[in-house]
Amino acid sequence: GQNIDQPTEMTATEGAIVQINCTYQTSGFNGLFWYQQHAGEAPTFLSYNVLDGLEEKGRFSSFLSRSKGYSYLLLKELQMKDSASYLCAVRPGGYNKLIFGAGTRLAVHP
Amino acid sequence: EAGVVQSPRYKIIEKKQPVAFWCNPISGHNTLYWYRQNLGQGPELLIRYENEEAVDDSQLPKDRFSAERLKGVDSTLKIQPAELGDSAVYLCASSSRQRQETQYFGPGTRLLVL
Repeated sequence: GQNIDQPTEMTATEGAIVQINCTYQTSGFNGLFWYQQHAGEAPTFLSYNVLDGLEEKGRFSSFLSRSKGYSYLLLKELQMKDSASYLCAVRPGGYNKLIFGAGTRLAVHP
Repeated sequence: EAGVVQSPRYKIIEKKQPVAFWCNPISGHNTLYWYRQNLGQGPELLIRYENEEAVDDSQLPKDRFSAERLKGVDSTLKIQPAELGDSAVYLCASSSRQRQETQYFGPGTRLLVL
C-alpha cells in the first residue's frame, strides 16, 4: 500500500526555525515533493528531491533519505505569512502521479 | 504567464443534481490532472490526461463521475448525480513535457452538496 505520514499541526514563533517531517512507504519511488497551501488557496510547489541530501532554496530547505523513507522541510526566519499547510507528496515508480500526505498545518505566532 | 484557470470557484447544489467543473491549464502544458481534496486532507488524484488521452482514471468513481479533454487543452469534470459525500474542493493541475515533475494547481472549485 501507499502511506505518507506527517504531523497534523505545528506551531512556531516568528523569526524561528521549524522542521516538518514526512515519512513514506510507497510501491516505488521517483521523487518527493513539498507544497505549500494557504487556507482556501491552491497548493504551490516548494521543492523536489529525487536524490539523497539537502536542497536549499532561500529560507526553505528540503532533505531526503531514500533508505529511511524520510524527508523534512526546514523553514528558517519564519514570517507570519508562512502560516499555511505544508503537503508532502511522493511520486511512486515511473508514473507521473503524486500521492499526498494529509498535510501539516503550521501556525506562526508573533 | 497565466496560471491554471478553474470555474466556478464555488458551487452549492442539492443532492442528486448534476454539476460540472471546467479547467483551462497553463498554455502548452500537455498533462492535466483532476484532484479531489477533502477537508483536512491532501489532494487525491481522480484522473490524469496526457493530451486528450486519459492515462490514469483508476481513482475516478465511474458510476457517477466523468471527464473529458476533447482537444487536449480544456477539460471538464462532471458528477451526475451528486451525493452528500462529494462535498470537497476539486483541484485541476497541469504540467509540461519538459518539466513533468512540477505540477501547477488552479484555485479549485469548492463544492457543497446539500
